[in-house]
Amino acid sequence: QVTLKESGPVLVKPTETLTLTCTVSGFSLSNLRMGVSWIRQPPGKALEWLAHIFSTDEKSYITSLKSRLTISEDTSNSQVVLSMTNLDPMDTGTYYCARMQRVGASWFGFDYWGQGILVTVSS
Amino acid sequence: DIQMTQSPSSLSASVGDRVTITCRASQSIINYLNWYQQKPGKAPNLLIYTASTLQTGVPSRFGGSGSGTDFTLTISTLQPEDFAIYYCQQSYSTPLTFGGGTKVEIK
Repeated sequence: QVTLKESGPVLVKPTETLTLTCTVSGFSLSNLRMGVSWIRQPPGKALEWLAHIFSTDEKSYITSLKSRLTISEDTSNSQVVLSMTNLDPMDTGTYYCARMQRVGASWFGFDYWGQGILVTVSS
Repeated sequence: DIQMTQSPSSLSASVGDRVTITCRASQSIINYLNWYQQKPGKAPNLLIYTASTLQTGVPSRFGGSGSGTDFTLTISTLQPEDFAIYYCQQSYSTPLTFGGGTKVEIK
């Protein structure tokens, strides 16, 4: 049974750094066919993909936030971590982690999602 | 970056109606197009991947078509549980991008 679960602070002050953890089970992060993305959704707005990791050497980021984001993985603990620096109230929203599979160079959809964590940026 | 544009942004329909949602990519994404359904307070749920492949467990009234830049999600006979927001997403290249969503409401 595949599951993903997000954890981290729910209230962060402006200019601080946010660190979110996605703990997965039912599949291995060492499997290079499996990758994990972070996706966010401001209240009442659309989904926005932030970052993805297939392995320590295969990471990708949204262009507009690339300088503020770092994604990493701890395969021994089955965790994917997202760090976002210099938070702003506009970063308020629900943050999801989700799994995507690939075959060769073909990436497929996000087939499993975490429940999401609502992060509020406010002083 | 590849831009994904969905239309309409919202629609009203009745139970039993046939519903069509369109997604257009700013450049060819071949068939690397996925569709999701999201209900209030819940994570999105994958409906269709690679434009037309139904995810396991998704009812057959959902269908996808298209290639290149133009794609369609069709719900053949709308059911009460289908009222939700639908998103398209391209997985052709990074950065991955989502459409703005289409809200399907009860008429």
